[in-house]
Amino acid sequence: GEDVEQSLFLSVREGDSSVINCTYTDSSSTYLYWYKQEPGAGLQLLTYIFSNMDMKQDQRLTVLLNKKDKHLSLRIADTQTGDSAIYFCAESLQNYGGATNKLIFGTGTLLAVQP
Amino acid sequence: ETGVTQTPRHLVMGMTNKKSLKCEQHLGHNAMYWYKQSAKKPLELMFVYSLEERVENNSVPSRFSPECPNSSHLFLHLHTLQPEDSALYLCASSQDPETDSYNEQFFGPGTRLTVL
Repeated sequence: GEDVEQSLFLSVREGDSSVINCTYTDSSSTYLYWYKQEPGAGLQLLTYIFSNMDMKQDQRLTVLLNKKDKHLSLRIADTQTGDSAIYFCAESLQNYGGATNKLIFGTGTLLAVQP
Repeated sequence: ETGVTQTPRHLVMGMTNKKSLKCEQHLGHNAMYWYKQSAKKPLELMFVYSLEERVENNSVPSRFSPECPNSSHLFLHLHTLQPEDSALYLCASSQDPETDSYNEQFFGPGTRLTVL
């Protein structure tokens, strides 16, 4: 089936690192994405990783991909209160029969940053 | 206006009402999506339109009826909804990706729907 799983909640202190984990099911996914949703807003793309990579770094963000275990993680260094939001992992599902591919999202992880 | 806009932002309706949600994108994209976001559940893809044709309908009840009159506008017509339909309805758009390619979707802020 098409399942992307995440834990629902993570609480960290300001200045600590946050690690948000995700497992996915489609081993043929070409791209995997991390989206962020702030209160009252839609989802916004944070970063993505191509499936032939195992790591991608972008300033405070580090994405790790373990294709064998179908595990994706997002590490936020020096977490700030402004990072408090819901973080969604998504995988791309290919060849599902339409003209476009589609994204399968997880439940989202609520990150709460304590001052 | 830039990006993806949705109106109204909040909607309260009774089970016998008929209402419509509107989405507009100003990004020149040719694929548009409706999602339902409920608490503690994965984001549910409801409908996909590519070049104004519906390419995905994920077993959504017929009380939800999408309409895509052109590549910039997407509607979701609602009638005889149930209280369990209360959720945040998100619209998104993307450049119509071919298989295997990068598919960044740009989201609107959503419409918070409450069905009484």
